[in-house]
Amino acid sequence: GENVEQHPSTLSVQEGDSAVIKCTYSDSASNYFPWYKQELGKRPQLIIDIRSNVGEKKDQRIAVTLNKTAKHFSLHITETQPEDSAVYFCAASPSTTSGTYKYIFGTGTRLKVLA
Amino acid sequence: SQTIHQWPATLVQPVGSPLSLECTVEGTSNPNLYWYRQAAGRGLQLLFYSVGIGQISSEVPQNLSASRPQDRQFILSSKKLLLSDSGFYLCATLRGYNEQFFGPGTRLTVL
Repeated sequence: GENVEQHPSTLSVQEGDSAVIKCTYSDSASNYFPWYKQELGKRPQLIIDIRSNVGEKKDQRIAVTLNKTAKHFSLHITETQPEDSAVYFCAASPSTTSGTYKYIFGTGTRLKVLA
Repeated sequence: SQTIHQWPATLVQPVGSPLSLECTVEGTSNPNLYWYRQAAGRGLQLLFYSVGIGQISSEVPQNLSASRPQDRQFILSSKKLLLSDSGFYLCATLRGYNEQFFGPGTRLTVL
């Protein structure tokens, strides 16, 4: 079945450094790739997304890149700050049928930014 | 704008007891609705989704069930809870282009 692999599972960086999280997906029909941030005890929240007709998207300190040929996409956080510490999830949305818009989530990356 | 309500916020239940978690959505009509479970320190597991009243699709076989008695109400139930049912239960809908928008969640502890 569809699968999304996410690496690394944990990541520690010094404040001000960059962080990169990578995901690969299996369903070549996937066309939407969001990233979610989940702070401790709270709900996941969308931070950035990319559609399959775009190779890169940037929003201030965060950016996402997509390589459809290789079926992988990455989250880049620059100038990390302590408040970036959280669990990050990638997801892929396979081709929709009957408007279900099912997501396949990665297993998450726990990012710790050290002050 | 859409709002998702979930209750209760936290719940402690003994093994073998029944369960009923409720989710209601405001600010939209005929939404796609989803139930996810997140075990402690783990990822998001899709349990059920619904595209309309009375339409439920199950993703993972287990002792849980879901129902959608009204357009914007989604209920997760169990007749007998297991220890492995402990976790953070999240209701979700779609927002905007294709954003999976999550509710505040219910933290369930089965003892």
